[in-house]
Amino acid sequence: ETGVTQSPTHLIKTRGQQVTLRCSSQSGHNTVSWYQQALGQGPQFIFQYYREEENGRGNFPPRFSGLQFPNYSSELNVNALELDDSALYLCASSRGLLQETQYFGPGTRLLVL
Amino acid sequence: AQKVTQAQTEISVVEKEDVTLDCVYETRDTTYYLFWYKQPPSGELVFLIRRNSFDEQNEISGRYSWNFQKSTSSFNFTITASQVVDSAVYFCALSLNSGYSTLTFGKGTMLLVSP
Repeated sequence: ETGVTQSPTHLIKTRGQQVTLRCSSQSGHNTVSWYQQALGQGPQFIFQYYREEENGRGNFPPRFSGLQFPNYSSELNVNALELDDSALYLCASSRGLLQETQYFGPGTRLLVL
Repeated sequence: AQKVTQAQTEISVVEKEDVTLDCVYETRDTTYYLFWYKQPPSGELVFLIRRNSFDEQNEISGRYSWNFQKSTSSFNFTITASQVVDSAVYFCALSLNSGYSTLTFGKGTMLLVSP
């Protein structure tokens, strides 16, 4: 196990609602990245946080937002949920920005009805 | 823009067979990192290996081996004497040494090992 934890494990929401997913990074890691994995696809990068600042963002709309806290844990918030937001959301932590391996948590499965 | 292609969608083998998973990548950068991750049915991505673009030496770790060839932009993964526990989806990923260290993943190869 990597030491990266995510909560909740599963979540069911309806279209238009808002959701918050949480991630605790591995001890000693100050960088958290979030990925969305649709069924049958590879993970897609949402954004990355380094020392509480957003450090990079993938091709996701502004209704996907995040936070990183002083203890380097992180939240992913999604507003105005759409059916296509149904996916596995993965959090990964790493020791720094570049040249560092990302270690993943078990993910949160989100179903939007 | 970078891209990772895993042409094999699904592979089925019988236990003890050797199996090779293919990965081809595209990038204009000269410095980059390649990864393999394993995703069992539980969903968690498990890190297997990381190689940088300057190190083309092949690597063997137990039943796993990796063949990195810059000339063909390939980073293939071989499991020797496969076991049922190897059944999972395997992802190849690429990370650049600039900006932020996002991983670009292929679509994955599902490996099914039957007893």
